[in-house]
Amino acid sequence: GQQVMQIPQYQHVQEGEDFTTYCNSSTTLSNIQWYKQRPGGHPVFLIQLVKSGEVKKQKRLTFQFGEAKKNSSLHITATQTTDVGTYFCAGPRGNNRLAFGKGNQVVVIP
Amino acid sequence: NAGVTQTPKFQVLKTGQSMTLQCAQDMNHEYMSWYRQDPGMGLRLIHYSVGAGITDQGEVPNGYNVSRSTTEDFPLRLLSAAPSQTSVYFCASKVAGLYNEQFFGPGTRLTVL
Repeated sequence: GQQVMQIPQYQHVQEGEDFTTYCNSSTTLSNIQWYKQRPGGHPVFLIQLVKSGEVKKQKRLTFQFGEAKKNSSLHITATQTTDVGTYFCAGPRGNNRLAFGKGNQVVVIP
Repeated sequence: NAGVTQTPKFQVLKTGQSMTLQCAQDMNHEYMSWYRQDPGMGLRLIHYSVGAGITDQGEVPNGYNVSRSTTEDFPLRLLSAAPSQTSVYFCASKVAGLYNEQFFGPGTRLTVL
């Protein structure tokens, strides 16, 4: 089964509002990656977090890795229509494999 | 660089037919993988390869074969297509190792009737 769990699975967000999506693992992760997939597109790498408690920002996106390295979050402020899509987190499984969560599908309401 | 390319973009098969999905990358990545994406299921790993001549199974390998004769190419073969294999298939590649991002191809949308 999936190593990482994502919540929620679906979100409807009003344009201009903020939202957060979460990723949880039952085991400690060496690192976590986030990807975004636009409707009809392919997943595109956003960021990687490696250190405990790490926080990284990309414009309106803030990524956080938990202190225990078992959870992560992506917070988006002032949502825009370009934020529509599915956000995936992925954690390592074994030496070379990535295990993806089921994704958080975000719909933006203008 | 073209990155990761996949052909075809769309394919319709009848149950029992076989076909090969092509994947190529020009980034000299050691690691390549195939995923399938179904609604509500996320990305599930089918097969992967850590270099030419080396392949291994992922989460959902049944009904699929792969080979890796060159660094650039990693074709996925459906031996006898079934309706349960209707899905969107993504090929991805990366530098080997835990801490490297994956680059995805544009995907192949397969329908099995």
